[in-house]
Amino acid sequence: EAGVAQSPRYKIIEKRQSVAFWCNPISGHATLYWYQQILGQGPKLLIQFQNNGVVDDSQLPKDRFSAERLKGVDSTLKIQPAKLEDSAVYLCASRRLGGLRQANYGYTFGSGTRLTVV
Amino acid sequence: EDQVTQSPEALRLQEGESSSLNCSYTVSGLRGLFWYRQDPGKGPEFLFTLYSAGEEKEKERLKATLTKKESFLHITAPKPEDSATYLCAGGGSQGNLIFGKGTKLSVKP
Repeated sequence: EAGVAQSPRYKIIEKRQSVAFWCNPISGHATLYWYQQILGQGPKLLIQFQNNGVVDDSQLPKDRFSAERLKGVDSTLKIQPAKLEDSAVYLCASRRLGGLRQANYGYTFGSGTRLTVV
Repeated sequence: EDQVTQSPEALRLQEGESSSLNCSYTVSGLRGLFWYRQDPGKGPEFLFTLYSAGEEKEKERLKATLTKKESFLHITAPKPEDSATYLCAGGGSQGNLIFGKGTKLSVKP
């Protein structure tokens, strides 16, 4: 089974610029998550999709962050404009429906995109 | 508010020196307590899920235990390859994970 693919792996931008990250989940996984992991901290949920609908975006800074999941498959996360405090690793994870009964909630994490804002 | 707190933030051990990592949690509707290992530049790697107080799970030199308020990750006779950040997370009812800040473990030969 192929893993969760994310790109790019690294990105360096200046503050006030825009950036977009892409995630391709495991085939058949209906639920997709974006987590933000600031250096020295644990991942924090930004947004959760089920198919192409938003389940939870309560911690997404909507004045600058946006996310979409077209056709319930790939997802993009955008930041516009970026701030210094957005420097972090952005992790995408996917899970199949009913995965809550599995040992790991059925989660698979990608390797993340490391964003540096200068 | 849901919260997961891990201690210590960093732990340095000599090879073979056993120790424990602590995770205390307050998560409403907790669906499970998760332990992950994270190596630099990689996503979290699943280790264990614990569902009820008194439950224990083992994998090689690691053993995870759970009480009603805390979980412990015991590391027996660690090796340098066990060096990593260990993350604890509470499982929410929507399948989301509430993570602690992690414990960075360094094992010196």
